[in-house]
Amino acid sequence: QKEVEQNSGPLSVPEGAIASLNCTYSDRVSQSFFWYRQYSGKSPELIMSIYSNGDKEDGRFTAQLNKASQYVSLLIRDSQPSDSATYLCAVNRLNSGYALNFGKGTSLLVTP
Amino acid sequence: EADIYQTPRYLVIGTGKKITLECSQTMGHDKMYWYQQDPGMELHLIHYSYGVNSTEKGDLSSESTVSRIRTEHFPLTLESARPSHTSQYLCASEDSGKGYEQYFGPGTRLTVT
Repeated sequence: QKEVEQNSGPLSVPEGAIASLNCTYSDRVSQSFFWYRQYSGKSPELIMSIYSNGDKEDGRFTAQLNKASQYVSLLIRDSQPSDSATYLCAVNRLNSGYALNFGKGTSLLVTP
Repeated sequence: EADIYQTPRYLVIGTGKKITLECSQTMGHDKMYWYQQDPGMELHLIHYSYGVNSTEKGDLSSESTVSRIRTEHFPLTLESARPSHTSQYLCASEDSGKGYEQYFGPGTRLTVT
């Protein structure tokens, strides 16, 4: 079982719709969770971090965490074509200096 | 957010050559990391550092070394490049005061012929 799992997609949503991206993780004691956006050929860019159960909102982005279900999600409201990218879920390792375990990412395509 | 710089951005080199990938950050972050990413795949940890004179091996460390003589500088060295080293190499630093958030440099895309 991989430490962090994501559906690779592609997830296609029309412009203005809500995009929902999901992630599960295997280490029950993980404490810190992150969403990164990665455009093709570029490096990952941090867009959200979440540490407690529940929702965390930042602009058009909402991260949701459910530690009991070992589940993290990212909602993007009013999706724009510029949101088209791969979204990486990352979870802190409790060894290796708190390095991150990454999922393979979900490819999001927002169509005009 | 950290300012992290990586050089070179692109490198094509022949098999057997020794190469050093440079990474520098200007925010005074203690923790730094090297990850490797192949297209469409997840990032894998190569090495990390807690601070000056600290270096630790990650999951893919057997063919490379790192050093941390200064806080801002964390170079990665491949002693003998092989075609299997062809990949993107990403350096990151961590703001320990912000819940372990890591910020990435632009990456070095390495091709070994």
